[in-house]
Order: sequence, then C-alpha cells, then structure tokens
Amino acid sequence: TQLLEQSPQFLSIQEGENLTVYCNSSSVFSSLQWYRQEPGEGPVLLVTVVTGGEVKKLKRLTFQFGDARKDSSLHITAAQPGDTGLYLCAGARHTNAGKSTFGDGTTLTVKP
Amino acid sequence: GAGVSQSPSNKVTEKGKDVELRCDPISGHTALYWYRQSLGQGLEFLIYFQGNSAPDKSGLPSDRFSAERTGGSVSTLTIQRTQQEDSAVYLCASSLGWGAGTDTQYFGPGTRLTVL
Repeated sequence: TQLLEQSPQFLSIQEGENLTVYCNSSSVFSSLQWYRQEPGEGPVLLVTVVTGGEVKKLKRLTFQFGDARKDSSLHITAAQPGDTGLYLCAGARHTNAGKSTFGDGTTLTVKP
Repeated sequence: GAGVSQSPSNKVTEKGKDVELRCDPISGHTALYWYRQSLGQGLEFLIYFQGNSAPDKSGLPSDRFSAERTGGSVSTLTIQRTQQEDSAVYLCASSLGWGAGTDTQYFGPGTRLTVL
C-alpha cells in the first residue's frame, strides 16, 4: 500500500517561530502535492513537486521533495496566526492514475 | 464555474434514510474525485471518474455507496440506508486530466453529513 505518514500530527507554536512538517513514504511518487485546509473548507493546493531534490518557495513556505521521491518536507519561517490550519500531503503515481494517496495531516496552531 | 461547488453544504438525516450529494466540477475538467474526511483527519479515497466512467471504485466502503457522473460534468454520490458511521465531510475534487501535469486536484468546500 502507498502509505504516506505525516509528522508531527499536531503542532502548536508561537507567532514568529519556525517549523517543519514531514511527509514520508516507502513508495516512490511521480509527484507530490501539499494542501492547506481551514475548518469548513476544502483543501487548497499550495504546491506540486515532481523532480527529486526539487525545492520550491512560496513566500515564507519552503517545500522540498526528497531525492528518491519518497518523502517531502514543508518548512515555514516566522509563522503567523494566519498559517493555522491542517496541512496535508498527497502523493500521485501515474501508473495508478486518479488515485492520490493522502497523509493524515498535520494540524498547525500558531498563537499570537 | 470558477471552482468546484458542492451541495448541500450541510445535511442532517436520520439513520436508514438515503442521501444524495452533488458535485459540480470546474468547467473543462475531465477527472472527478470523491473523498471522505473525518474530523481533523486526512482524506479517504472513495471513487474517481474519467469522463463518465469510474475505473476505480475500490474505495467505496460498502454497497450502500454509489456514484454516477453524467455528461462528463456533474456527479452525485448516493448513500442508501445511512448509518451513523457515515457521518463525515464528503469532499469532491476535479482535475484537468489524470496524467502527468494535468492531475492536480482542486477541491470543493465539502458536504458535512450528519446521521442521527
């Protein structure tokens, strides 16, 4: 099975702190997506990474895809209360088109 | 439309009743997906459509669950004889296609189903 494990499951930090969320698997993925979800809303796509070793930056967010395309990380610099939400990673294998595997998510709370 | 829409946004029903959930994908998106999400958890894959056909129904929890898509657009997820364990948020997503570079999924706001 293509299991994606996210860690930590819960994270509560103060405004201004840095944090890293991890997404790990024993399977290779063709691409990996990170989503952020707020209560009562659907997940919103943050980034897609497709190349092993790829690093993408989105303002204070830095996403990295592992060299072997089995894992990924999301680093947030100087977290703000607006970053609060559920962060989900999802892996896709194009040999299994249409069926992305989602992690269980990391619930982030940033306190002012 | 501009985004994926789902209706109703909330549904409260009694155990044993049937419910129908609707999803309107982004115009032009050929792939459509249904997921189920329990409170604060990740997404459980239910089914996806390529056009009007569903190549993978393996995620449907039981034969009480069915889904259809007509005209390559709107999809409905039907749950018959609802049970309390069916209570969850049902999310729909669509993507331009299902191959590399086209399979990024865009989600609707979900339907929160509560079975009393």
